Amino acid sequence: DAGVIQSPRHEVTEMGQEVTLRCKPISGHDYLFWYRQTMMRGLELLIYFNNNVPIDDSGMPEDRFSAKMPNASFSTLKIQPSEPRDSAVYFCASSLGDFSGNTIYFGEGSWLTVV
Amino acid sequence: AQSVTQLDSHVSVSEGTPVLLRCNYSSSYSPSLFWYVQHPNKGLQLLLKYTSAATLVKGINGFEAEFKKSETSFHLTKPSAHMSDAAEYFCVVSKGLTGGGNKLTFGTGTQLKVEL
Repeated sequence: DAGVIQSPRHEVTEMGQEVTLRCKPISGHDYLFWYRQTMMRGLELLIYFNNNVPIDDSGMPEDRFSAKMPNASFSTLKIQPSEPRDSAVYFCASSLGDFSGNTIYFGEGSWLTVV
Repeated sequence: AQSVTQLDSHVSVSEGTPVLLRCNYSSSYSPSLFWYVQHPNKGLQLLLKYTSAATLVKGINGFEAEFKKSETSFHLTKPSAHMSDAAEYFCVVSKGLTGGGNKLTFGTGTQLKVEL
């Protein structure tokens, strides 16, 4: 299996621009997660989906952030407008089932820098 | 609510010597616990996990961890460090219920340095 695939791997954008991060989960997985990693706050869960439906978006920091999952094999995380404090590594992850011991598989991350 | 505390932000060992990365957890439920590793500029890779079966869990690359309920600990060990083990290690707890039961809470990470 190819694993969780994220794009772009690196993005540098100017403040105020729209940023779209993309994710392809592992085929057959029914849970998809977006995490953000920063030096100050570590790894935080932003939102997760079950069977393409958003279940918990309480971690989404502001209305500038939105996430969609139009089908089982694709999800986007959008920031509009972007700000320098959004600079972070954004990880997408997927898993099968909701047993707490199930392994969650992470992509290699999207490194975002907003200048 | 569940949480994990990684007791050391940085650990430095010599190649060939044992590794000990400490983690304490807090959970209202019977927890599932994980260790993930992150190499520089890479994603997160699962090292091992505990899911209420055997308390001594063996993972990849020679790592293992022991779940000790009485001490609420899940320390990660390796008998002999290798240069390639240099990375950041995260202790992670998962909510111990079904229905959203695989929401992970990460520790703050331990940076492992391996010296010649």
